[in-house]
Amino acid sequence: DAKTTQPNSMESNEEEPVHLPCNHSTISGTDYIHWYRQLPSQGPEYVIHGLTSNVNNRMASLAIAEDRKSSTLILHRATLRDAAVYYCIHSGAGSYQLTFGKGTKLSVIP
Amino acid sequence: EAGVTQFPSHSVIEKGQTVTLRCDPISGHDNLYWYRRVMGKEIKFLLHFVKESKQDESGMPNNRFLAERTGGTYSTLKVQPAELEDSGVYFCASSRNSVNYGYTFGSGTRLTVV
Repeated sequence: DAKTTQPNSMESNEEEPVHLPCNHSTISGTDYIHWYRQLPSQGPEYVIHGLTSNVNNRMASLAIAEDRKSSTLILHRATLRDAAVYYCIHSGAGSYQLTFGKGTKLSVIP
Repeated sequence: EAGVTQFPSHSVIEKGQTVTLRCDPISGHDNLYWYRRVMGKEIKFLLHFVKESKQDESGMPNNRFLAERTGGTYSTLKVQPAELEDSGVYFCASSRNSVNYGYTFGSGTRLTVV
């Protein structure tokens, strides 16, 4: 199993940046790092993914450590709609399985 | 584009009955996946289709579960006979033909076996 370690929960004030950490010390050289989130009563939602370089998209930024054993998902300005469980996943280049852990429950305070 | 559609959104059945869940992936997505979350546990992979072929069914819990994807379009997941431990939320996802693309998940079917 591709294991990752994330804090159980985090809080953020609305409109402030949020940095969600993830440790993936067992990652191999060809594994991608994926982030998904799950809002209440919905299916998981793709956020971002990367391999080695930092990545940006309209939802978030992904900062990957140089040794790739950890990464950080950055939400630049948290909104109430960002309250969700965030999952960090790494999977092999040839694998289509996503191994979900417990994730980090993000609460956003108005 | 339309998202991944799952039907029904909720199903309550008695132990021993049969239930069929349906998933309509995003048009053009060759890859289709089934996942489930049973009570108190993490989301687990069940199986992966590429078009109409089962690519990986290593997560299927037992032979009471049968997945099909006729013609490479929509997919069905049948549970026969249903047991109490099958209760949970079943998610379907689809993706383009590369692991480099994100998966789009449906909202899930909440199955309750009583």
